[in-house]
Amino acid sequence: DAGVIQSPRHEVTEMGQEVTLRCKPISGHDYLFWYRQTMMRGLELLIYFNNNVPIDDSGMPEDRFSAKMPNASFSTLKIQPSEPRDSAVYFCASTLHGDTQYFGPGTRLTVL
Amino acid sequence: EDKVVQSPLSLVVHEGDTVTLNCSYEVTNFRSLLWYKQEKKAPTFLFMLTSSGIEKKSGRLSSILDKKELFSILNITATQTGDSAVYLCAVEARAGGGADGLTFGKGTHLIIQP
Repeated sequence: DAGVIQSPRHEVTEMGQEVTLRCKPISGHDYLFWYRQTMMRGLELLIYFNNNVPIDDSGMPEDRFSAKMPNASFSTLKIQPSEPRDSAVYFCASTLHGDTQYFGPGTRLTVL
Repeated sequence: EDKVVQSPLSLVVHEGDTVTLNCSYEVTNFRSLLWYKQEKKAPTFLFMLTSSGIEKKSGRLSSILDKKELFSILNITATQTGDSAVYLCAVEARAGGGADGLTFGKGTHLIIQP
């Protein structure tokens, strides 16, 4: 069974540009999480969904960040406009009924 | 605010040594504590602990949870160079059922020297 799939794996963009990160959870999982990892702050929860509905977005740093889950097999995290301090590795994770969270390979974002 | 503190932040030992990694936490409505191993990619799951005093074991790795004192330890015996990684501790809270996001510690960077 395929694990969590994320794309792109690497993204380099210039400040002010829009960035869209994509995630496909494990088939059948009903929870999807977006995390961000930096050296300074470690792994932080940004937002999570249950059955495609956003449950907690209190970790989203500011209005420049938005996330959607239009169906059970796809989610996006968008940053508009991007800033250099958004540079990080963004992970998506999924779980079934709140069991173990399985992480995708991450997207390494660099904003110049 | 939920909080997870891991110690030590980094540890260098020789192959064959035994190591103990520590994790203390403060969380409202505790549901579970998880250990992950992170090499250069995504965190990979090691253990999920929900009950005090019950040791979880997988090969040379073992972990136990103390819900009264709010901490967990991860033991690795007969360490190998392949055990070199960042070990992350995370806690999950649950308010009223269902899953919740994980709160992670900063991790312990473990280096095993040959």
